[in-house]
Amino acid sequence: DTAVSQTPKYLVTQMGNDKSIKCEQNLGHDTMYWYKQDSKKFLKIMFSYNNKELIINETVPNRFSPKSPDKAHLNLHINSLELGDSAVYFCASSQSWDRPKGTQYFGPGTRLLVL
Amino acid sequence: AQKITQTQPGMFVQEKEAVTLDCTYDTSDQSYGLFWYKQPSSGEMIFLIYQGSYDEQNATEGRYSLNFQKARKSANLVISASQLGDSAMYFCAMRPTYNNNDMRFGAGTRLTVKP
Repeated sequence: DTAVSQTPKYLVTQMGNDKSIKCEQNLGHDTMYWYKQDSKKFLKIMFSYNNKELIINETVPNRFSPKSPDKAHLNLHINSLELGDSAVYFCASSQSWDRPKGTQYFGPGTRLLVL
Repeated sequence: AQKITQTQPGMFVQEKEAVTLDCTYDTSDQSYGLFWYKQPSSGEMIFLIYQGSYDEQNATEGRYSLNFQKARKSANLVISASQLGDSAMYFCAMRPTYNNNDMRFGAGTRLTVKP
């Protein structure tokens, strides 16, 4: 009964490959996010999806594309992987009507290593 | 733009003692939410406590309390009666009330609890 789940937990791949990370939440939330945490532990938002619409798209390379088949899922597809993409990627979700709080609940993270 | 500052890269505390983790923020928004998350070595992000900018009382959740000083724009986390399991990275975060999706995180503080 995990609230926010991600697969895979670890991903090791070669430079230039294309990979996807999946995220699912069973909290009934209407907003999902992708964050990147670098080697210095700095956490930065990449994307936000609310009711299947992209809300935030920070200055992320267009090699990264979020895809949301429904409001319980937000997958992250990465094309032409580069060494600098190595990081931990977190999925999160929140409920937009839960104001003012709107606490975000995080998945366990996916550790991506590009060789 | 919002900015979150955690000036303590690392902190040490003796088991059973209290510790304060500092967080200051910069925002032009009048209404916002402040959050603290814990990230143990296992990597997951765990929500700890929330404070709304218009809340009159400081938030408390078990051994966690938030020392909110709005005029000084600070939202320090106080952990009482530290336990060995409290050793982790702690992140302060802020989000404007009007935009649930725009959560910004500080750089984090690594807390080590000594036996």
